[in-house]
Amino acid sequence: ELKVEQNPLFLSMQEGKNYTIYCNYSTTSDRLYWYRQDPGKSLESLFVLLSNGAVKQEGRLMASLDTKARLSTLHITAAVHDLSATYFCAVDSGNTPLVFGKGTRLSVIA
Amino acid sequence: KAGVTQTPRYLIKTRGQQVTLSCSPISGHRSVSWYQQTPGQGLQFLFEYFSETQRNKGNFPGRFSGRQFSNSRSEMNVSTLELGDSALYLCASSFFPDTDTQYFGPGTRLTVL
Repeated sequence: ELKVEQNPLFLSMQEGKNYTIYCNYSTTSDRLYWYRQDPGKSLESLFVLLSNGAVKQEGRLMASLDTKARLSTLHITAAVHDLSATYFCAVDSGNTPLVFGKGTRLSVIA
Repeated sequence: KAGVTQTPRYLIKTRGQQVTLSCSPISGHRSVSWYQQTPGQGLQFLFEYFSETQRNKGNFPGRFSGRQFSNSRSEMNVSTLELGDSALYLCASSFFPDTDTQYFGPGTRLTVL
């Protein structure tokens, strides 16, 4: 059974600082997704990572995938308040449904 | 291009009642998945439909059921509601299952009293 673990679950960051969210999964994966969810809102797709060594960047967010370590990271550079949200990773391992991590609630404070 | 739409957005029901939620996927998308989101359990998969066929079902009791129509719109039904069914129900669509990013709708917030 595929298990997806994110850490930390809660993260309070100062504006301008860098930090990394980690996503570990337990079986081989076809693709890995990162989503963002604002309070009371739905999930917004951020990145899809398809292969070992894949790196995607959008603004202050950069996601990477290491399939050998079964690890993806979401790196936040010079955090700003607008990045405050909950971030989920989700893993697709073929003919099984997406399995989501518990989410990382990020709060960026001045 | 319109996104995934879900109706209704909010529902309040009492225990023992039943409820039907509706999802209209992005135009051209034929795969629809449903998820339940709660603070305690997080995002849990309910069903996946493609071309009117259920491809996968999550670990939920038989009170939870769904279907997909020929126009790819989908409905899910929950019968004999329990307090624990209070959750945000999210629908997601993609062109095909397993190969495409899923795009999520705004969700239906169900409260069971």
